[in-house]
Amino acid sequence: DGGITQSPKYLFRKEGQNVTLSCEQNLNHDAMYWYRQDPGQGLRLIYYSQIVNDFQKGDIAEGYSVSREKKESFPLTVTSAQKNPTAFYLCASTHSDRNGKLFFGSGTQLSVL
Amino acid sequence: GQQLNQSPQSMFIQEGEDVSMNCTSSSIFNTWLWYKQDPGEGPVLLIALYKAGELTSNGRLTAQFGITRKDSFLNISASIPSDVGIYFCAGQMNYGGATNKLIFGTGTLLAVQP
Repeated sequence: DGGITQSPKYLFRKEGQNVTLSCEQNLNHDAMYWYRQDPGQGLRLIYYSQIVNDFQKGDIAEGYSVSREKKESFPLTVTSAQKNPTAFYLCASTHSDRNGKLFFGSGTQLSVL
Repeated sequence: GQQLNQSPQSMFIQEGEDVSMNCTSSSIFNTWLWYKQDPGEGPVLLIALYKAGELTSNGRLTAQFGITRKDSFLNISASIPSDVGIYFCAGQMNYGGATNKLIFGTGTLLAVQP
């Protein structure tokens, strides 16, 4: 079955540690996105990528990094520079011509120890 | 970054009641979408609207693209317990453009009592 998979479901980060969240899709979608969700708030865009080897900063990119070496994969690294990393992270993908019709993964809950 | 104003923030209703929620913006959008998020999961697309004044249904759900292009409405008729979740509106300014970047509303939490 086609879909978008995020792992792990739960992740804990120690002070000063970098952690990487995985996002893989087998939908043959060109565009992929990372969003951050805090309780009671909407989704805020961290990074997005329209094609392989290219990505752009979203509204809250500071303290995060990404790579897009393969069409299927768009991992997000939460660096030690992100001082408030506790949140629910959502990965999404779409064909570039789908006009907003995003397919979301089931999310990763990141917490700080 | 910009976020859309969505209301109400939460709703607690009885099964069988109808529900209405809306989303407003100070900016004009070319696309409006409505997503539903179950607890601990990612949002799922419910309805997409691409034309001002457009009214679209998906089962018991009906959504409208406001004529001013600055608002959208979602109605749920005869609510059932599985309607529970957070409903998000989202707007897109660049129709068919180089980016599908969406701006999301703050969400409406819906609770349905059997």
